[in-house]
Amino acid sequence: GAVVSQHPSRVICKSGTSVKIECRSLDFQATTMFWYRQFPKQSLMLMATSNEGSKATYEQGVEKDKFLINHASLTLSTLTVTSAHPEDSSFYICSATSGLSSYNEQFFGPGTRLTVL
Amino acid sequence: AQSVTQPDIHITVSEGASLELRCNYSYGATPYLFWYVQSPGQGLQLLLKYFSGDTLVQGIKGFEAEFKRSQSSFNLRKPSVHWSDAAEYFCAVGSPNDYKLSFGAGTTVTVRA
Repeated sequence: GAVVSQHPSRVICKSGTSVKIECRSLDFQATTMFWYRQFPKQSLMLMATSNEGSKATYEQGVEKDKFLINHASLTLSTLTVTSAHPEDSSFYICSATSGLSSYNEQFFGPGTRLTVL
Repeated sequence: AQSVTQPDIHITVSEGASLELRCNYSYGATPYLFWYVQSPGQGLQLLLKYFSGDTLVQGIKGFEAEFKRSQSSFNLRKPSVHWSDAAEYFCAVGSPNDYKLSFGAGTTVTVRA
């Protein structure tokens, strides 16, 4: 299957700072990328969907001003957690697909563990 | 709205024994169904998927799943587990009209020697 990378794999930051997480599709062009948040022992919760060259679509309850998403190219999407607080500590996972239906497989990155002190 | 329930949080199985992971979904029409495996440090990997047709689906790594519409279930099975099957398993549901997936809470599988 296709490969999706995330960087960094782990990040620790101080409360109030911003953190950027990159998601790259290495061997295919991703028209759509998804950002998920996963709490320990819980499911993946979709945060937002981003399409290349357009604004991201956020799920209900997700603060778009706090979680800035940019999908500047067909191979790169970034998630910036602004003014991070301890409650933002979580495991963030991205996925990428080349289609607009769940018929098209999503390829997942390995995730980024964010710890806010 | 679509949703997925995985009733078993944690399953321990002996190496060589059979494994069955339960998944129940809620969706108004015929769903797209998926099973993913998540190993530490790795992204979710698709094991198998069901869109239509034969209700018994074969996947990678020796896994299979059966779609039972009457029970709204899509249980995952493997006849003989290997130590490398220890991981987190997620069931997910999607639809033909949308790219969003809804995931279950996951089942952790521990394999003992």
